Amino acid sequence: GAVVSQHPSRVICKSGTSVKIECRSLDFQATTMFWYRQFPKQSLMLMATSNEGSKATYEQGVEKDKFLINHASLTLSTLTVTSAHPEDSSFYICSARVSEWSPLHFGNGTRLTVT
Amino acid sequence: KNQVEQSPQSLIILEGKNCTLQCNYTVSPFSNLRWYKQDTGRGPVSLTIMTFSENTKSNGRYTATLDADTKQSSLHITASQLSDSASYICVVSETGTASKLTFGTGTRLQVTL
Repeated sequence: GAVVSQHPSRVICKSGTSVKIECRSLDFQATTMFWYRQFPKQSLMLMATSNEGSKATYEQGVEKDKFLINHASLTLSTLTVTSAHPEDSSFYICSARVSEWSPLHFGNGTRLTVT
Repeated sequence: KNQVEQSPQSLIILEGKNCTLQCNYTVSPFSNLRWYKQDTGRGPVSLTIMTFSENTKSNGRYTATLDADTKQSSLHITASQLSDSASYICVVSETGTASKLTFGTGTRLQVTL
């Protein structure tokens, strides 16, 4: 089946540094990728929608200058958390799909801890 | 505003018992509804996807129903197993090129001995 690989699975960084998270579709071409944030015991919160070759569409309240998304190819999207702060500590998940009617395939998430 | 509400928020059942999770939505125009299972610390995994014309869809011990008129869906789990312990998330998609997704808050299911 379709696989989405997310890397790293865990990362610890110091406050003020930037962290890049990669999301790859391993066996299909993802025209659309999504990035989510999830707090403990809560559901996923959509941060942004990324279509290959175009700028990401951010949800209301999500700072696009802080959460930089790049979707340069049909198999790779990256999320960079810039100038990270402890409140950015969270579980970040990506998902990818071929088209509107195809299933969403999720990565296994990245646990970010900012100290 | 499009919303997806799930109930109950959490549920504890004994192994071998059945349970039903509910999802009510106000998303319009409706495209499809998906149920996902998310194990703790992992990404969600798709269980079912249902379009407007589908009433029932099964995936092993999971059976999803959809009533597009009342905008309600349910996920029924038969003969629960310990491995069913997870969060179950209902996701509704709008039709059109934007295909915006609205996520439910999830139901946390715990299956015990």
